[in-house]
Amino acid sequence: ETGVTQSPTHLIKTRGQQVTLRCSSQSGHNTVSWYQQALGQGPQFIFQYYREEENGRGNFPPRFSGLQFPNYSSELNVNALELDDSALYLCASSSRPVTGTEAFFGQGTRLTVV
Amino acid sequence: GEDVEQSLFLSVREGDSSVINCTYTDSSSTYLYWYKQEPGAGLQLLTYIFSNMDMKQDQRLTVLLNKKDKHLSLRIADTQTGDSAIYFCAERNRDDKIIFGKGTRLHILP
Repeated sequence: ETGVTQSPTHLIKTRGQQVTLRCSSQSGHNTVSWYQQALGQGPQFIFQYYREEENGRGNFPPRFSGLQFPNYSSELNVNALELDDSALYLCASSSRPVTGTEAFFGQGTRLTVV
Repeated sequence: GEDVEQSLFLSVREGDSSVINCTYTDSSSTYLYWYKQEPGAGLQLLTYIFSNMDMKQDQRLTVLLNKKDKHLSLRIADTQTGDSAIYFCAERNRDDKIIFGKGTRLHILP
């Protein structure tokens, strides 16, 4: 148990729809990073939030957006869903913007776009 | 660009040692990591090594780093059935972001 909770665990959406994924960070952590893990691939960095501000972004289009709340929980929003957005979405929380030795991952949300 | 490469599959007999290899391209990497992912689960940090170290040992795990060749390996001694998982090599790049390989699926033979 890492203390990082993601919801929902599974989700099916239709192409063109919008989706919101949620992540509750571990107590005491102020940084959340989001990753996309397509089938058979390693996780790809989407973006990171530190103290409610975006702190770096990977190669993802603007239809991927996020929020971090005062309690440091976070949302990932994806608009205009495409079939290729089907993946496991992982969030990782840490106590500062270093996502290596201190990051704790949630179990992920598996999104299927049909 | 940045890239982390690792073999996709490894089969090992229970009780033998497993060695998972990885190569990376970013010479400015400061940390290198090994993560474990079991079916239906998130990522678990197994171990990490600073780029100025050659070796790190932690119980059954030994990490070797050849910075000149940009080669990282993870050795698991006395491999058990519970070690069956996907193992990801990752590097921390100059922007402090983590770049993952595609993962090596470790299969344990009885």
